[in-house]
Formats: sequence, structure tokens, C-alpha cells
Amino acid sequence: AQSVTQLGSHVSVSEGALVLLRCNYSSSVPPYLFWYVQYPNQGLQLLLKYTTGATLVKGINGFEAEFKKSETSFHLTKPSAHMSDAAEYFCAVSSTGRRALTFGSGTRLQVQP
Amino acid sequence: ETGVTQTPRHLVMGMTNKKSLKCEQHLGHNAMYWYKQSAKKPLELMFVYNFKEQTENNSVPSRFSPECPNSSHLFLHLHTLQPEDSALYLCASSQDLQVWGPGELFFGEGSRLTVL
Repeated sequence: AQSVTQLGSHVSVSEGALVLLRCNYSSSVPPYLFWYVQYPNQGLQLLLKYTTGATLVKGINGFEAEFKKSETSFHLTKPSAHMSDAAEYFCAVSSTGRRALTFGSGTRLQVQP
Repeated sequence: ETGVTQTPRHLVMGMTNKKSLKCEQHLGHNAMYWYKQSAKKPLELMFVYNFKEQTENNSVPSRFSPECPNSSHLFLHLHTLQPEDSALYLCASSQDLQVWGPGELFFGEGSRLTVL
């Protein structure tokens, strides 16, 4: 079975500050890991994904995430928050043989001016 | 045309009504999905279709009835729903099922359902 835990349902940062959204996963086989973003009244949009190879993955809008197998983590970071980053962020896991993604509960990011 | 289109965007229905949600994808994908998004809960996978065939029903109550007439269209027929069924229903598509590799899911904007 697979599962995803996102620590912190709400995160608030100041504009220009570091963004760190935490994601831990559980998987009995090598995972594929994803971060999606959901802006108000919209569907989910892929930010980045890890499949194999380089453990530091760069995505859109300046976000990146690092796969750490020993810590079963895939935390999302951005060096400098922008007001437009305010949204809900979802971590998801899958693997070969699974039919669909398993999502975490989401983290709502607030960016204060 | 955007990639995945869902209609209606908002729906209010009584518990005795029958209504349907529609999803259409213009991406040439083979797999389509229904997810339920409720406040403060993880996205819940409801149904998966691959080449029009249902490959997964995640223990969804029979008051939700999916239909996939072709690879581009997916419906969710609703009848005798309960207030706790109020949620955002998201449709997604992918090139193939995840079983073949880490394919990206493309989501529609969702249908916000309120059951009175």
C-alpha cells in the first residue's frame, strides 16, 4: 500500500522568504513522486515529478524538490516566495503497477506582503 | 480548447434529483479518472477508465454511476445523493495508466456539487 503525509495543512510565509512544504511517503516499491498546485477555483497542475535519476528535481515557477530515499521524503522548496505562489499544494505518489496516484491532504500556502 | 473540460462548474441538487457531470479531454489520452475532493481530506480516487473500460472502482456507492462512451468523454451520473456527497469532483486524464510508467495526470477545473 502507498500513502502520503503532508505535514502542516497551512503554511504562511512572507514575500521573499523561503518556502518549504513537507511531504513524506510510504511505498513498498520504488516510488514516482509528484507535486501538484491548485489555484482557487481551478484544477490541479503539475509542478514537478521524480521518476528515476537525479534526486533534485526542478519544476515550474522556481520550485524544486529533493527525493531522499533514506528519509522517505520529497519536500518542496522555493528560495523566494511570491504573492502569486499562494495556492494549495499536493504531494502524490505512484509506482509501476499502480493504476493511479495517491494524494496527500494538501498544504495551503499563504504569502504575506 | 483547454485540455480537460468539465461541465457544469457548479451544481446544486436535492437528494431526490438525478443529474450528470461531464468531462471531455482533447489530449488524445487513453485513461480517464474521477476524483472527489472534500475539504480537509486527501483527494479520493473514485473510478479509473482505460480505453473506455473501467479498471478500478474504489468502493464507490452505487448512487454514483460512471459512464465512458469513448476515450475522450467521461460522465458521472448522480442520483439520490446525500449531503455528505457535496464536494468538488475532479476529472483527470493521462496518456496511459500509471501501471506503464509515471505518467502525468491532467486535471479539469472541477464541478462543485452541493447536495441539499
